[in-house]
Amino acid sequence: AQSVTQLGSHVSVSEGALVLLRCNYSSSVPPYLFWYVQYPNQGLQLLLKYTTGATLVKGINGFEAEFKKSETSFHLTKPSAHMSDAAEYFCAVSSNTGNQFYFGTGTSLTVIP
Amino acid sequence: DTEVTQTPKHLVMGMTNKKSLKCEQHMGHRAMYWYKQKAKKPPELMFVYSYEKLSINESVPSRFSPECPNSSLLNLHLHALQPEDSALYLCASSQSRVIRLGQYFGPGTRLTVL
Repeated sequence: AQSVTQLGSHVSVSEGALVLLRCNYSSSVPPYLFWYVQYPNQGLQLLLKYTTGATLVKGINGFEAEFKKSETSFHLTKPSAHMSDAAEYFCAVSSNTGNQFYFGTGTSLTVIP
Repeated sequence: DTEVTQTPKHLVMGMTNKKSLKCEQHMGHRAMYWYKQKAKKPPELMFVYSYEKLSINESVPSRFSPECPNSSLLNLHLHALQPEDSALYLCASSQSRVIRLGQYFGPGTRLTVL
């Protein structure tokens, strides 16, 4: 079975600073990879996804993530944090047979004015 | 249109009540899911429907009963719930059970069991 590890359950950054949220997966075969954001009292919104092709994936709200097969990582970044980025972020992995979907434990992002 | 809708937004029920949660998508997706989410935790999979047939039941207690009337609708019938069932219930859909392009989530129903 797959596992997804998000390092750091809480991350704080200053407004305007770089955002880096870490995600590692366990699989010898590259899966499909996703980042979701959840604002308080809302559902999950798909930020970006990696399926095949270019390893640097751009998503909504200025976020991007890079798939690194050698490091089994899919870290999420944003060059400049905005107050509205404060939310819970979940990394997720789908097995390459596609019928298993695993969430990481989540990272709560706080943006300090 | 990449929207999944859920009703009601909030639900408060007693342990003896019967209620239903509803979910609808119009993206032509053929797989639909129910998740339960506790605060600050990732969603936990409850049920999966693929082409309107139940394909996964993650050992969910029988007081939760899913139903998929057609390819756009998903219901979750609730009966004799316990206070520990209080949570955010999320519906999601994907193009098929092979989740290459991700799942799309609704806004959730906040359930409180008294």
